[in-house]
Amino acid sequence: QKEVEQNSGPLSVPEGAIASLNCTYSDRGSQSFFWYRQYSGKSPELIMFIYSNGDKEDGRFTAQLNKASQYVSLLIRDSQPSDSATYLCAVNRDGQNFVFGPGTRLSVLP
Amino acid sequence: DTGVSQNPRHKITKRGQNVTFRCDPISEHNRLYWYRQTLGQGPEFLTYFQNEAQLEKSRLLSDRFSAERPKGSFSTLEIQRTEQGDSAMYLCASTKQGNYGYTFGSGTRLTVV
Repeated sequence: QKEVEQNSGPLSVPEGAIASLNCTYSDRGSQSFFWYRQYSGKSPELIMFIYSNGDKEDGRFTAQLNKASQYVSLLIRDSQPSDSATYLCAVNRDGQNFVFGPGTRLSVLP
Repeated sequence: DTGVSQNPRHKITKRGQNVTFRCDPISEHNRLYWYRQTLGQGPEFLTYFQNEAQLEKSRLLSDRFSAERPKGSFSTLEIQRTEQGDSAMYLCASTKQGNYGYTFGSGTRLTVV
């Protein structure tokens, strides 16, 4: 079992819809969880992070964390074509280095 | 400060040659990380520094790879006797100590022919 798993996609949603991206992790000791967006040929950029169970909202983005289920998700409301990218889930186990999932490709169709 | 800077952006080298990449982190960030990313995969951790101390190296990092951060500022990553399997994007990231997200540089794309 890989440490951080994501569906590779592509996930296709129509413009204006909600995109739901999921991530599971294997280490119950994981402390914090990050979502990065990566456009093709570019480096990852941080979207948001979450430490506590529940929801955290930032603009059109909502991160959801369920530590008991070892599950973290990212919702993107009112999806735009400019949101089309690969979304990487990263898990920080010990306050030091991060483990990344393989990423989910999102395609928002105009 | 405009962010994390990496040089060169692209490097093409022949198999067996040595290559060196440089990373200049955000000035107030004391932690610096190197990751490697291949097409369709997430970044894989290679090594990280806190100030000038190299605190962790991945088991992925063979003896052909070495990294330094001599004064706790910029860092270099050297690959000796490159192999075709080393072809990848090499990403540098920095952060402040604590549980913060990384800021990545633009990466160095290495192609070994």
